[in-house]
This record gives sequence, C-alpha cells and structure tokens, in this order.
Amino acid sequence: YELTQPPSVSVSPGQTARITCSGDALAKEYVYWYQQKTGQAPVVLIYKDNERASGIPERFSGSSSGPKVTLTISGVQAEDEGEYHCQSADSSTMYPVFGGGTKLTVL
Amino acid sequence: QLQLQESGPGLVKPSETLSLTCTVSGGSISGSSYYWGWIRQSPGKGLEWIGNVYYSGKAYYNPSLNSRVTISVDTAKNVFSLKLNSVTAADTAVYYCARPHPAYCSGSTCPFGFWGQGLLVTVSS
Repeated sequence: YELTQPPSVSVSPGQTARITCSGDALAKEYVYWYQQKTGQAPVVLIYKDNERASGIPERFSGSSSGPKVTLTISGVQAEDEGEYHCQSADSSTMYPVFGGGTKLTVL
Repeated sequence: QLQLQESGPGLVKPSETLSLTCTVSGGSISGSSYYWGWIRQSPGKGLEWIGNVYYSGKAYYNPSLNSRVTISVDTAKNVFSLKLNSVTAADTAVYYCARPHPAYCSGSTCPFGFWGQGLLVTVSS
C-alpha cells in the first residue's frame, strides 16, 4: 500500500501552498500531516484529516476528498520551508504508512 | 514530558546486524497502552515505518522488512530495542524511535507525536 505525494512544491512568501497526498484507502482512513525541518524530527501538524495539533498556526489546514487529501498553507512564511509528510494506515492491516514526503521551498 | 533517545553504533558493516536502543524518560513503557515504534528515513527520502512494540512484547513489523527485523522491550530498564540483520547500504538511514500522542489518536490509528532526535546509521565496510 502506498501514499503518493509530489516531490516538491515551490511558492513565494504570502502565497498559498497546497500539498496533496493520495492513496486508495484514504477514503476510509484518517490522514495525519507532519512538518520536518532540516536535521530535526517530524512534528505533527494535522490529525484526523483536518484537526490542527496543539500550537500549530491557523494558516495550516487539512482537507479531504475521497482518495486525496490536501495540506494547505495560507500566507506561506519563510519559516515554513521544510519537508512535509502524510501518514495513514493500510486498511487491511492498520499498519502505519507514510507518503514519500514533499519538499516545500519558499522562493 | 515524554522524551525518547536513540543510541547505538553509527557505523555497521554490510551483512552484519544493526542494533539500536531507545531510552524512554518522563514516562513508563509499562504504564502506556500505546505502542512504541521505530521509523527510518534514508538520505533524501521519505519516512518508512519499521515496526511497533507494546509493553507486553507483542510486536508488528513492516512486511517489507519482516524477515530481518526484531523489536523488543525491556520494561525494567524502560527501553525498547531494534535489531535489523543482514544489512546492506540500502539500510543506511536516520533511525527514529517514537510513540503516538494520545490526544491525536482516532480508534486504532495514531500519528507519532513523540520522537527521539534520530540517529544516523551508515552501512559501509
């Protein structure tokens, strides 16, 4: 079972970045999003498709539509640059599955 | 606050066994009904789940690694460990230990909310 993310997304400061994650089971299973800065461990941004984790700015939001979910970053700031990972579960085993990660570049 | 810390050799020879330990502080492994996990990240790649273990010792593994991996727990020392045998260069990665954050779980699925800092393990002769 696989989750597919675009390898990279580039936006200018103040613009909106959208990072997608797609997989057959996403229509049934929740998705979680992480942000990972260089040299650091991932941090939970979004849980249960669209709930913001504690301390996460409102500019981060999640949405889902069938087999595709989207992480939206509104008004991107330079500090948002990093790697973004989606995670869900293989619905047959409930084992965790990660997407390949998306590198966000703020131009 | 729960803290996790990976330890072990940073260099392993091909065909040998990679052995890492995760020391848990700020909480008890035996006091948690949640699983404890290992995740790795190869250079320039995404995250890969390796496996989880419960305080009882029951473990679940990524099918792609199942034949080479063993995860165990020592509740007396409050640590859990990873062994990956017959390693190759493809096993070079940053290895993380982690645990779900209860506030973010839904049913049986959870994101990993507590992470160690990660340990780079290089497989090379």
